[in-house]
Amino acid sequence: EVQLVQSGAEVKKPGESLKISCKGSGYSFTSYWIGWVRQMPGKGLEWMGIIYPGDSDTRYSPSFQGQVTISADKSISTAYLQWSSLKASDTAMYYCARPLIVGAILHAFDIWGQGTMVTVSS
Amino acid sequence: EIVMTQSPATLSVSPGERATLSCRASQSVSSNLAWYQQKPGQAPRLLIYGASTRATGIPARFSGSGSGTEFTLTISSLQSEDFAVYYCQQYNNWPPPFGPGTKVDIK
Repeated sequence: EVQLVQSGAEVKKPGESLKISCKGSGYSFTSYWIGWVRQMPGKGLEWMGIIYPGDSDTRYSPSFQGQVTISADKSISTAYLQWSSLKASDTAMYYCARPLIVGAILHAFDIWGQGTMVTVSS
Repeated sequence: EIVMTQSPATLSVSPGERATLSCRASQSVSSNLAWYQQKPGQAPRLLIYGASTRATGIPARFSGSGSGTEFTLTISSLQSEDFAVYYCQQYNNWPPPFGPGTKVDIK
């Protein structure tokens, strides 16, 4: 079964760092891009960025450039989203997702992780 | 950056009725348009890609149409499990934004 499994919920204080993960299984992890999507409480879906684990080519949505870092470790089929200094406004559900088509950076995303809830509060 | 809009924001429909959701792109995205369904507490689920192709396992009551800047998702006969939020997304240009969503609720 093709799936993406994300790390568990996190509660952090403003200014702290955080790295959440997304582990792929059931397919060739290095052949598909992996994207990250933010959903703030009660709000819609926002694209953050995307990475190709095969060579770590990474693209960011302009709104998130410089705010987060996306990385991947292909040896363990895992992608990451990290913050160096969290803000209260980073409180959200974060999803990783894989596109339908192998090697396609731009396509519909048919495989989604279950989401990681990040809560930032003092 | 392409901007996606959706209408209406909320659609109240009775079970068994037809629902028609609209999505508009600020510039042409050809047929590179997807529709997703999201239920509370769940990740989004891909329904339609290529503007009109149903994803694997999606019932035939869901259909998509349109190209360029105007798109439509039609649910021919709403079932109880279809009450959810629906998002469109263009994937013709980077970044691939989602629309703001249409909530389909029970009338």
